[in-house]
Amino acid sequence: QSALTQPASVSGSPGQSIAISCTGTSSDVGAYNSVSWYQQHPGKAPKLMIYDVSHRPSGVSDRFSGSKSGNTASLTISGLQAEDEADYYCSSYTKTTTLGGVFGGGTTLTVL
Amino acid sequence: EVQLVESGGGLVQPGGSLRLSCAASGFTFSSYWMSWVRQAPGKGLEWVANTNQDGSEKYYADSVKGRFTMSRDNAKNSLHLQIDSLRAEDSAVYYCARRALSYYGMEVWGQGTTVTVSS
Repeated sequence: QSALTQPASVSGSPGQSIAISCTGTSSDVGAYNSVSWYQQHPGKAPKLMIYDVSHRPSGVSDRFSGSKSGNTASLTISGLQAEDEADYYCSSYTKTTTLGGVFGGGTTLTVL
Repeated sequence: EVQLVESGGGLVQPGGSLRLSCAASGFTFSSYWMSWVRQAPGKGLEWVANTNQDGSEKYYADSVKGRFTMSRDNAKNSLHLQIDSLRAEDSAVYYCARRALSYYGMEVWGQGTTVTVSS
């Protein structure tokens, strides 16, 4: 089960917007609208931020949004805040793992 | 409060075994698919295993198939992961997570338990 491809790091200044890409294949990201995004602060458990490409769970700020085009999904964070500094992981359904899915390698967001 | 609390991690020699547990509270445990996800030190997340609501279906990542066994006890609201033939590369924080009912995603996570495989 190959990992999805994410940039290792991105950065932005407070108030700016950034986007994190997540590239898969026609067997995972491209085939299903089942992409989720997780935020993880150091030493903490992951937190679901986006599900099914573009939906936010209750309680997640609307500064977080998701989209997908072809085999690439994206997480956009607008109005960057210091507390957004964290690692972000994408995940996609792939039928080879029966709901297990595949994760991206993770992206470290630095708020300058 | 919805909560998942893992336990059972520790230091074990290569080839050894451990049994991880996850205690669920604050929700109807028997209604949800559950997963184990691990994270090696300084690395990303890796899905390990899933089980359905009554434990009749179990699915494993290729990297653990044949060595890891997932089980659940709905009467005790608990999830378990039996890990045998441990290898150094199994060293990680192991998280249990609740899968959402109506969409693809893991909506509740425990705080994790650490497994270290070393001689």
